[in-house]
Amino acid sequence: DADVTQTPRNRITKTGKRIMLECSQTKGHDRMYWYRQDPGLGLRLIYYSFDVKDINKGEISDGYSVSRQAQAKFSLSLESAIPNQTALYFCATSDRDTQYFGPGTRLTVL
Amino acid sequence: GESVGLHLPTLSVQEGDNSIINCAYSNSASDYFIWYKQESGKGPQFIIDIRSNMDKRQGQRVTVLLNKTVKHLSLQIAATQPGDSAVYFCAEKRFGFQKLVFGTGTRLLVSP
Repeated sequence: DADVTQTPRNRITKTGKRIMLECSQTKGHDRMYWYRQDPGLGLRLIYYSFDVKDINKGEISDGYSVSRQAQAKFSLSLESAIPNQTALYFCATSDRDTQYFGPGTRLTVL
Repeated sequence: GESVGLHLPTLSVQEGDNSIINCAYSNSASDYFIWYKQESGKGPQFIIDIRSNMDKRQGQRVTVLLNKTVKHLSLQIAATQPGDSAVYFCAEKRFGFQKLVFGTGTRLLVSP
């Protein structure tokens, strides 16, 4: 079984809809991250959390929110999706420096 | 910042050759470096890492070299196989900071 799982793997939605992407990990790591990957822009950090009570904004947090429900779960929400949020979204976990990524969610906002 | 996408630098090699993928970093305060492999439709996969107190680290068929003088990092893949075809990118962490900064992606194409 994968150590970091993401659901859904693919999602098509419409402008204005609320979307939640979920991430679960079995690695026992305290630190979790959400990134988006766009062609030409690479991986950019949206939010990160170093433990259940710690949430921090990354470089592109506008339009997103997160919830750290438990050590193993970190969800990303788009309150009102817009087309330029179409991207690949990756969750990652780490215990110290090395980050381990999930398989990604391909989100399309029409 | 550097990008992963349609216009990536591409390295084409023959199966069995050795591959060298390079990465330049700009922050002399970076103390940790990591290489990832990303296959199409998949998440980045950890390959190997190195701390700034080392110059070289070897894994299975892979070697990472760190030249702090010129701020250069390289990934060497021995006896490259078609399954090595992917996008490879480096990341660095600055001392005292907890976030990774992702660098250039290079597309490796391995021909049989």
